[in-house]
Amino acid sequence: KAGVTQTPRYLIKTRGQQVTLSCSPISGHRSVSWYQQTPGQGLQFLFEYFSETQRNKGNFPGRFSGRQFSNSRSEMNVSTLELGDSALYLCASSPDDSTVNEKLFFGSGTQLSVL
Amino acid sequence: AQKVTQAQTEISVVEKEDVTLDCVYETRDTTYYLFWYKQPPSGELVFLIRRNSFDEQNEISGRYSWNFQKSTSSFNFTITASQVVDSAVYFCALSEYGNKLVFGAGTILRVKS
Repeated sequence: KAGVTQTPRYLIKTRGQQVTLSCSPISGHRSVSWYQQTPGQGLQFLFEYFSETQRNKGNFPGRFSGRQFSNSRSEMNVSTLELGDSALYLCASSPDDSTVNEKLFFGSGTQLSVL
Repeated sequence: AQKVTQAQTEISVVEKEDVTLDCVYETRDTTYYLFWYKQPPSGELVFLIRRNSFDEQNEISGRYSWNFQKSTSSFNFTITASQVVDSAVYFCALSEYGNKLVFGAGTILRVKS
């Protein structure tokens, strides 16, 4: 089985632009979560999608949004980029169809640099 | 509020030494889950273990072992006979609901040959 695939691997943007990151979960997995990793704040939960619905949301401004498609693939979008948005964005999937806390399978991430 | 503290920022050991990574957590809930993940240089987080708050049985899996103590809110992780390939960042995490994990700051483990 292929693992969690995130594209692109690296991205460079300038302040004020917007960006869309993509995540393809493991086949059969229905839950997709997004995390932001920075040297200063560490790993922080952004949001989780299950069956195309946002099931959980972290404490991030509205500039951060996401969605999930019927094939479970997910995208996250950041609008009006700020320098502080530079980070490694990690996507994780799990097969769960309940609120049981399953183990997560992570992708290698998208490294976003905002100049 | 949930919080996970990994007091050890970085640990360096020589190959074959045993090493213990500490994790202390805070939560008001009685039902929660604890995790350890490993992040090698490639970037992806790799799941190591999950424990729920009702399962205090400690476990040994190969060279890895875990010590969960609710009385001290600790969930420590030990690598026996460490190897260079164990070098990575190790994260302890807590979850009360769904797949929303609260991570500790991580401990960098360097194993030297």
